[in-house]
Formats: sequence, C-alpha cells, structure tokens
Amino acid sequence: DGGITQSPKYLFRKEGQNVTLSCEQNLNHDAMYWYRQDPGQGLRLIYYSQIVNDFQKGDIAEGYSVSREKKESFPLTVTSAQKNPTAFYLCASSISPGLTETQYFGPGTRLLVL
Amino acid sequence: KQEVTQIPAALSVPEGENLVLNCSFTDSAIYNLQWFRQDPGKGLTSLLLIQSSQREQTSGRLNASLDKSSGRSTLYIAASQPGDSATYLCAVVGGSARQLTFGSGTQLTVLP
Repeated sequence: DGGITQSPKYLFRKEGQNVTLSCEQNLNHDAMYWYRQDPGQGLRLIYYSQIVNDFQKGDIAEGYSVSREKKESFPLTVTSAQKNPTAFYLCASSISPGLTETQYFGPGTRLLVL
Repeated sequence: KQEVTQIPAALSVPEGENLVLNCSFTDSAIYNLQWFRQDPGKGLTSLLLIQSSQREQTSGRLNASLDKSSGRSTLYIAASQPGDSATYLCAVVGGSARQLTFGSGTQLTVLP
C-alpha cells in the first residue's frame, strides 16, 4: 500500500519544548513539503525539499526546522521559538519538484500546547 | 505576492442540486491550478489539476474550468450528494519557487 504516513495524530507540547512530527512516504517521490493549517484558513508552506539533503524555507519557516537525510522521510521540528504552534500540520509529496504534478497529502498531525 | 480567494466560505444545498464553487487569484502567471477536497480533521485529496494551457478538466460529476486572463476558476459539482459534504480548496502553482498557494476553502454541506 503506497502512501504518506504522519505520526502522531495528536501531539501535545509544553512551554519551551521542542517536538518533532514524523512524515514518511513510500511513493518514491523526490519532493516533500510541510504545511500549516489554521482554523478556517488555507494551507501555508513551512519548508519544502526537492531532493535528499536539500531543503528550502517556505513562507512561514521561523520557529521550525527540518531535515531530509533519506528520500522517504522529512521530519519537522517545532522549536520553542515558535510562539504560536497550535495548528494542523500536513505533509505532502510529489513525484518531481517542478510542481507540475499533483501533491499527495498525509492525514495530518494536530499539535496542541499545554 | 499571489493571493487566492474562495467565495463563499460556506454553502448549504439540498441533495441533487448542481452547484458551483468559485476561486480567484491575483497573479495570472500560474503553472497550474488544483482543486482539493478535505474532510474534517483529515488530509487533502486531489480532485482535479488544470495545467495553465488547459481550459477545463472533468472527473465524474466534477468539472473544473480555468480562465487565466481573468484570474478565475470554478468547480462545478453535478447532482450533489451528502457524501460530497467537505471543504473544497483551490490552489495555484506559480512564481520562481513554484510554490503552491492555497485559498481558505469553501465548506460545502449537502443536505439529504
């Protein structure tokens, strides 16, 4: 079964804590993306990676960090510098980085602050 | 900077009705436009992708049109069903970074 998995489904963060959201794909896609969705709003791009060991900032990268050590994995760390982290986080992938093909999305992780 | 607007934000229709969802964008220099469906608390599912050189795409009861010059797209849903209830998002790809810019979505409710 090919697809994108995200874990955990729900994540709770304490003040000053870094947390990492997992994203794995077995579609053999080159490009991967992280988006943030706030209630009643569209998705905003946090980071994207067009190839292994390379990634670029999106529109709202401050307070977040990523790595792309393997083609199938693109974890997102929400650092303590992100002052308003409560949101729904979506990971996506596409066959190539040119964005001429559609993106496939994971089921999302909801991050809540305690 | 590209901005994508979807109106209305919410729409309720009786089952069986044909309906149109609207999407507008400010920069007509796009590579493609996509329509997605999002069920509550879930990820996005791609419905239709229209390349910039195309005028429309069809899939089953769905038809999406694109008018680049006016910066508009519509998603037509024929014979709506309660299972069509979801939030529909449009997104455009453009700019040097080829980023996907999303609208805020239209929440559709089809009443049985």
